[in-house]
Amino acid sequence: DTEVTQTPKHLVMGMTNKKSLKCEQHMGHRAMYWYKQKAKKPPELMFVYSYEKLSINESVPSRFSPECPNSSLLNLHLHALQPEDSALYLCASSQDGLAGLYFGPGTRLTVT
Amino acid sequence: GEDVEQSLFLSVREGDSSVINCTYTDSSSTYLYWYKQEPGAGLQLLTYIFSNMDMKQDQRLTVLLNKKDKHLSLRIADTQTGDSAIYFCARSGTGANNLFFGTGTRLTVIP
Repeated sequence: DTEVTQTPKHLVMGMTNKKSLKCEQHMGHRAMYWYKQKAKKPPELMFVYSYEKLSINESVPSRFSPECPNSSLLNLHLHALQPEDSALYLCASSQDGLAGLYFGPGTRLTVT
Repeated sequence: GEDVEQSLFLSVREGDSSVINCTYTDSSSTYLYWYKQEPGAGLQLLTYIFSNMDMKQDQRLTVLLNKKDKHLSLRIADTQTGDSAIYFCARSGTGANNLFFGTGTRLTVIP
C-alpha cells in the first residue's frame, strides 16, 4: 500500500462548528505532516509528528489541534474557524524526510 | 519559503520538451524535489536528487542540478496533455523534516 488517504474530500463548516480531518497511511512511515494550501499558492507546513510525537508546530492558531493516535493515523481537529481558514488541507507522510514526502489527495475545507 | 523561486507559467506544444526551472538561495539542503499537482488533487512526488549529484534521469524526466548557481531544472521529454499541471520544486530543510516549496509553475500543454 503506497498511498496516503484523507477523509472527507470536501467539508463545509460554520464558524461555531467542531469537525475533524482524518489521514491514514500504511507504508510504515514514522513522520506525518499537515500542510495548508491556499489557491494558487504552495503548501505551507502546519505540523509535523515524528514517532507519534509533535516535533514541529509552525505557530498555528489553537483553533487547529493535531492528534496522532498511532503511527498510521493523523487527525486535525477544527474548532471556531474563520472564513480565511478555507483552503486545501494536505496530509503527508515520510520515512525519514529525505526521500520525499508522500501526500494525500487533500480535504477541501470551506468555512462559512 | 521565499528562497525557492520558479517562473509562474510555461506553455509548450504536445510532443515538444518542457523545461521547468527553479532557483534557491539556501545551499545547505541535502535533497531537492519535483512535485506535480493536478487540479483539485494532492501533490505527487515525481523525482528527487541528492545534492552531490548533478543529473538524474527517470524515463521522460531529467533533473539537472547546478549547485554552484543554485539552479534546478526538470525536463519533460515528449510532453503530453496529461502533463498539464502545476509543478513545484522543493528543498529539504536542515532538520530533514520539512520541505520548502517554490511558488509553482503552471505547465499548459497545447494539443
